[in-house]
Amino acid sequence: DQQVKQNSPSLSVQEGRISILNCDYTNSMFDYFLWYKKYPAEGPTFLISISSIKDKNEDGRFTVFLNKSAKHLSLHIVPSQPGDSAVYFCAASAPAGAQKLVFGQGTRLTINP
Amino acid sequence: DTEVTQTPKHLVMGMTNKKSLKCEQHMGHRAMYWYKQKAKKPPELMFVYSYEKLSINESVPSRFSPECPNSSLLNLHLHALQPEDSALYLCASSLWDRGRDEQYFGPGTRLTVT
Repeated sequence: DQQVKQNSPSLSVQEGRISILNCDYTNSMFDYFLWYKKYPAEGPTFLISISSIKDKNEDGRFTVFLNKSAKHLSLHIVPSQPGDSAVYFCAASAPAGAQKLVFGQGTRLTINP
Repeated sequence: DTEVTQTPKHLVMGMTNKKSLKCEQHMGHRAMYWYKQKAKKPPELMFVYSYEKLSINESVPSRFSPECPNSSLLNLHLHALQPEDSALYLCASSLWDRGRDEQYFGPGTRLTVT
């Protein structure tokens, strides 16, 4: 039972354009969501998070949008840069067991020059 | 200091060996985590220590034994592993003072069991 899903295994975007990565979840108890970026042979790097009391959180080039009714979140990267090429994981947690992050399968983002 | 360090970076061990993975953080974080990640898969939680006490064990086989000697250190003792245990083992830490906070990951130990 995959509670957090990233349906696009890969995404290719031109440098300078917007990258949009999507994530869906099924567990309505999830109320805290995070995005991580992972380069090969490195650990995941925290990017941005959002609580379910908000529908948008912004940090520099990164914005996360949360649509609770659709159980959907997205990460927007504007403008995309070559260094953004990596695998992106979304993760979620619920109040009970808040330390347990449930990760999606990841989306490999490639930024083309 | 905003990083989590892990040693060794790579480890090759036989099925009868005993080895340990080490993790250290100096961010004052009070929760520390072990994850296992197989190729092309997301990280899977193994253990969580909160305030140096084991708070979550995700039904991990006893051949993996965690230890938290103090608030900055986390070990994972390995014994009688199987080839299918080969994976990237990630350590993470978080502040754990508001109950909902981001986890910071180390670079991982690439483990190969022969």
